Amino acid sequence: ELKVEQNPLFLSMQEGKNYTIYCNYSTTSDRLYWYRQDPGKSLESLFVLLSNGAVKQEGRLMASLDTKARLSTLHITAAVHDLSATYFCAVDRGETSGSRLTFGEGTQLTVNP
Amino acid sequence: NAGVMQNPRHLVRRRGQEARLRCSPMKGHSHVYWYRQLPEEGLKFMVYLQKENIIDESGMPKERFSAEFPKEGPSILRIQQVVRGDSAAYFCASSRRMTEALFFGEGSRLTVL
Repeated sequence: ELKVEQNPLFLSMQEGKNYTIYCNYSTTSDRLYWYRQDPGKSLESLFVLLSNGAVKQEGRLMASLDTKARLSTLHITAAVHDLSATYFCAVDRGETSGSRLTFGEGTQLTVNP
Repeated sequence: NAGVMQNPRHLVRRRGQEARLRCSPMKGHSHVYWYRQLPEEGLKFMVYLQKENIIDESGMPKERFSAEFPKEGPSILRIQQVVRGDSAAYFCASSRRMTEALFFGEGSRLTVL
């Protein structure tokens, strides 16, 4: 059974600081996704990482994937209050068709002014 | 281009009643997925459908839950004889191709009294 673990689960940080969220998964997969969820809202796709060594950046967020270590990171640079949300990583089970994602528990990020 | 549309957004049912949740995928998307999110948890895969076919229902509870995606009309997730433990947010997602990120709807929040 595929397991996806995120840490930390709760993160409180000051504006302007940097931090990294980690996502470990238990079985081989080369499709990993990062999503953002605001309270009571849907999930917004942030990054799709499809190969070992993939690195993607959007604004203050950068995501990377190391399939050998079964690890993805979401790095936050110079955090701002608007980044406060819950961030989920999700790993595809690797079926031959369709995307059955297994989600981590989520990292609840609070950025304080 | 409208996103994934779900309705109702909020649904209250008494124990033993039926709940029907609807999902219209994004235009051009033929892959539909249902996920369940319990409070303070990540999303759990329930079922994957293409038009008129259930591809994978390995995440569906064995009883009381069913899903369909007819040739015409929205996908429907049906929960019969609801119990309190069914209270959750149910998210529908769609994609055009297997390796694309899933686009999620706003979710249907079911409360069972």
